[in-house]
Amino acid sequence: AQSVTQPDIHITVSEGASLELRCNYSYGATPYLFWYVQSPGQGLQLLLKYFSGDTLVQGIKGFEAEFKRSQSSFNLRKPSVHWSDAAEYFCAAAGGGADGLTFGKGTHLIIQP
Amino acid sequence: EAEVAQSPRYKITEKSQAVAFWCDPISGHATLYWYRQILGQGPELLVQFQDESVVDDSQLPKDRFSAERLKGVDSTLKIQPAELGDSAMYLCASSRDSAAQETQYFGPGTRLLVL
Repeated sequence: AQSVTQPDIHITVSEGASLELRCNYSYGATPYLFWYVQSPGQGLQLLLKYFSGDTLVQGIKGFEAEFKRSQSSFNLRKPSVHWSDAAEYFCAAAGGGADGLTFGKGTHLIIQP
Repeated sequence: EAEVAQSPRYKITEKSQAVAFWCDPISGHATLYWYRQILGQGPELLVQFQDESVVDDSQLPKDRFSAERLKGVDSTLKIQPAELGDSAMYLCASSRDSAAQETQYFGPGTRLLVL
């Protein structure tokens, strides 16, 4: 079955420090990959997406993600976090004939002052 | 910037009552999705429409849930009767078409509490 795994439920990072959120997928073929962010009480906002080509993808708000086929991973990174980055982050995948997104369970990001 | 609209934002109801949620997608978007997000989990697809037709409702509990998009624009998701386990955030999303690589744009959601 198709699945997306986010191994970290919570991550705490100091403001100004770098960030990496992990995402692994299990699909029959390479899916289309997305990262969304959800602030409290809000809907989901797309940060970036990967379809093909360059494996390092740039997104909004200074985020980037790297696709690694050999590891079935699509990790999200940011070189320096801001307090406003505190939110829930979801990795998602689509493809293989099912057009709806399959989401991971999310990683809750906490920013320490 | 165009957005997906949903109403109500919050709904409290008692079990066995009927509830309905409304979604207005971004203008021109042919594909509409309803997702359910249980607290602490990622969203899960309930139903997908292409224009007015249901494309995928395999995860929709059809004994109590129904969804329609009669004119291929806005959509309504109904639960009758509501159960305690239905308490969740209900998210609507739309995309230009149903291709897997198309970006889905999400509304703010309706948070449902069943007492």
